[in-house]
Amino acid sequence: EAQVTQNPRYLITVTGKKLTVTCSQNMNHEYMSWYRQDPGLGLRQIYYSMNVEVTDKGDVPEGYKVSRKEKRNFPLILESPSPNQTSLYFCASSSGGGIAQPQHFGDGTRLSIL
Amino acid sequence: GDSVTQMEGPVTLSEEAFLTINCTYTATGYPSLFWYVQYPGEGLQLLLKATKADDKGSNKGFEATYRKETTSFHLEKGSVQVSDSAVYFCALSNFGNEKLTFGTGTRLTIIP
Repeated sequence: EAQVTQNPRYLITVTGKKLTVTCSQNMNHEYMSWYRQDPGLGLRQIYYSMNVEVTDKGDVPEGYKVSRKEKRNFPLILESPSPNQTSLYFCASSSGGGIAQPQHFGDGTRLSIL
Repeated sequence: GDSVTQMEGPVTLSEEAFLTINCTYTATGYPSLFWYVQYPGEGLQLLLKATKADDKGSNKGFEATYRKETTSFHLEKGSVQVSDSAVYFCALSNFGNEKLTFGTGTRLTIIP
């Protein structure tokens, strides 16, 4: 089954404790991206990647890092999480053609930073 | 920059009612327009899309027409069902901008 898998689905942690949210897709997609969803703001892009070893900032990259060492994986790293990063996070992927193609979203990761 | 404005929710309708969720956009050039739907506890799924003016996207009884003159992409369905209860997002993508710009979402609840 074609899917985008995020882990963990839920995480409660404390300020300053490094964490990684993993994202993996099994569709051989070139394009992957991360969004955060906040009430009243919709979804905002954090980072995106056009292909392996190619990443770029979205609208709200501060406090986040990403890497794209393999085509299927695109982890989101919070080196020193803060409470303002409490949010619902989504990973998405699509085939060549990038953002013009339909995006396949994971089921989301709800992060709470205390 | 690009932006999307969509109808504030929540919207509550009775089953078989007619649905319209308004969406307008601001963008340079010729963006592609999308409606995504988010069911409870799930990620977003593409509902329909249109890539040029006067295109009509349709899927699962939903329709939206790309109106460049009014910069709008309103979502409509003739007869809603309880299973249509979800959050609906209007979004656009634009040439040279590798991201989707989303509206704030409209929560739709259909009551039997």
